[in-house]
Amino acid sequence: GQQLNQSPQSMFIQEGEDVSMNCTSSSIFNTWLWYKQDPGEGPVLLIALYKAGELTSNGRLTAQFGITRKDSFLNISASIPSDVGIYFCAGQLKGSNYKLTFGKGTLLTVNP
Amino acid sequence: KAGVTQTPRYLIKTRGQQVTLSCSPISGHRSVSWYQQTPGQGLQFLFEYFSETQRNKGNFPGRFSGRQFSNSRSEMNVSTLELGDSALYLCASSLGDRGADTQYFGPGTRLTVL
Repeated sequence: GQQLNQSPQSMFIQEGEDVSMNCTSSSIFNTWLWYKQDPGEGPVLLIALYKAGELTSNGRLTAQFGITRKDSFLNISASIPSDVGIYFCAGQLKGSNYKLTFGKGTLLTVNP
Repeated sequence: KAGVTQTPRYLIKTRGQQVTLSCSPISGHRSVSWYQQTPGQGLQFLFEYFSETQRNKGNFPGRFSGRQFSNSRSEMNVSTLELGDSALYLCASSLGDRGADTQYFGPGTRLTVL
């Protein structure tokens, strides 16, 4: 199936630092979604992007839908310990609505 | 508005048995999707139901099946369980009637096959 390449795989940062992660694909996506998952729980939606070039913020989080529609990034500013978790990008391929393709996730560790 | 609920949260079965998982979507959502999450394969799409019909299907064997009821609640069934079926099974609901749709996940059912 279609693949989303999410990087980095893991990050170890100090509290207060900014974080950036991204997803890329060779395919075109209609929608990009960013989720955070805590151990043993389901993914929680952070930001949804629907238009190429769209830049959306949610508190300290900012995400962008790439102009080419083949990539997206998520930035977290001034990280805090509760930001720890796995962050997933997910997209709906052009012509494949209602079916999400997920990246492998970025494991974020924040040292207080 | 209540979120997506899944029952049971944890389940232990033995090989060869069958299992049924349940998902209640957010009120007003008519689409329910199911995903399998394992450490090795990540999140993989199983199938999606809308208005009691399977609209999308992933690449899983026929042992994995599902259905949706008129109230949009959905069940997923796995027959003849194998050790490799141990995973977190997640369902997600969405409105389902627009091109760009946002899915909201439940907490998942942790299935362990012994």
